[in-house]
Amino acid sequence: QSVLTQPPSASGTPGQRVTISCSGSSSNIGYNYVFWYQQLPGTAPKLLIYSNNQRPSGVPDRFSGSKSGTSASLAISGLRSEDEADYYCAAWDDSLSGSYVFGTGTKVTVL
Amino acid sequence: QVQLVESGGGVVQPGRSLRLSCAASGFTFSNYGMHWVRQAPGKGLEWVAVISYDGSNKYYEDSVKGRFTISRDNSENKLYLQMNSLRAEDTAVYYCAKNTPPDPAGGLDVWGQGTTVTVSS
Repeated sequence: QSVLTQPPSASGTPGQRVTISCSGSSSNIGYNYVFWYQQLPGTAPKLLIYSNNQRPSGVPDRFSGSKSGTSASLAISGLRSEDEADYYCAAWDDSLSGSYVFGTGTKVTVL
Repeated sequence: QVQLVESGGGVVQPGRSLRLSCAASGFTFSNYGMHWVRQAPGKGLEWVAVISYDGSNKYYEDSVKGRFTISRDNSENKLYLQMNSLRAEDTAVYYCAKNTPPDPAGGLDVWGQGTTVTVSS
């Protein structure tokens, strides 16, 4: 049972902007970095955003991340067909003995 | 190139054991923490365990504590996951992944292709 909550789905037409939310708590998002992963069908996840809002080399600037308090969001601007995938937020959780937690995941569909 | 390759998956009966391996190449393995992450069929990602760069610190997801053990051999550039007392709910694709600083709370920037574990009688 994930402690980071995401909407199960999001969609948009090519060129549109889509935003995915990730809700957590003070023990995870509130005090730790947020990461975003993209998982294309049948493949391993890929790091999309690190340290709340940084993009690894090779990730298009259409992808952006932000964090405020105990929530975070991922925005995809100029939506493209190849962006159709599952997206997961993640963060370290300092409660109890410590753990890395993933969000529930959001399926993005390009209409 | 930077690469992680998992092995050791298979079909195993409930209550039995299995040991997964992850071979690392293309980076200085001993400098980075390493994670195991799993994904049950049709489900989301679930973190399993992490080990620090030198093996001195380990953290586990609650449902695997006392059953799974993460370890590493920096001389061989290998990561392991010993899984005991396996249950049907452990059925998943298991990925190993490299941690970026801060250790252990960084991003997972390199992932293996995954190895499938099926627990069934």
